[in-house]
Amino acid sequence: DIQMTQSPSSLSASVGDTVTITCRASQGISNQLAWLQQIPGKAPKPLIYATFFLQSGIPSRFSGSGSGTEFTLTISSLQPEDFATYYCQQYFSHPRTFGGGTRVDIK
Amino acid sequence: QVQLQESGPGLVKPSGTLSLTCSVSGGSISSYDWWTWVRQSPGKGLEWIGQIFYSGTTNDSPSFKSRVTMSVDRSKNQFFLTLTSVTDADTAVYYCARETGDYSHYGGYYFDSWGQGTLVTVSA
Repeated sequence: DIQMTQSPSSLSASVGDTVTITCRASQGISNQLAWLQQIPGKAPKPLIYATFFLQSGIPSRFSGSGSGTEFTLTISSLQPEDFATYYCQQYFSHPRTFGGGTRVDIK
Repeated sequence: QVQLQESGPGLVKPSGTLSLTCSVSGGSISSYDWWTWVRQSPGKGLEWIGQIFYSGTTNDSPSFKSRVTMSVDRSKNQFFLTLTSVTDADTAVYYCARETGDYSHYGGYYFDSWGQGTLVTVSA
């Protein structure tokens, strides 16, 4: 199985801040990397696929980058509704695997 | 936009069988997508269980040691999960989701729609 490692596991930030979350894959995944957002008590919401591309309806303050085994999610100008847990996920191979999550809470 | 809705018993006895249904609306289960099950134990992260294509082809996680069976009913636009020999460790919120194809960028199938999830508790 491909291991997905996220860092940090949690962070505190203020509205308007820019935050960056890193995800490392245990082997190359050909940019088949997605990011999902989960608010407590809700289903995961897909944000980004193929490393860079926003899902329909996702605001442009979310962006993804990376290649090989290192990937990044950046949230610019953090909004109140962005306080949530974020997961990276590879879909290069089976079984699909997720990072452990990064909780973003209010400072 | 396709919508997914899980249903099934919320309580299963240890050593019993967990059975869930996912109903798909706003799209056809016979499309070239994969229909997937993911679970989340209380306070934990996401765990991929497996996926099924409309033809009945499946992929599942070795973590479940052959306890998983998936099937599809195209006439009802539904797909199903069965998990046998359940224990406390199978207590979780179970989600169904769609993995759709990326034909424009790097290939593969990525999540684009999720159900709201259903809590299944394993307890006597």
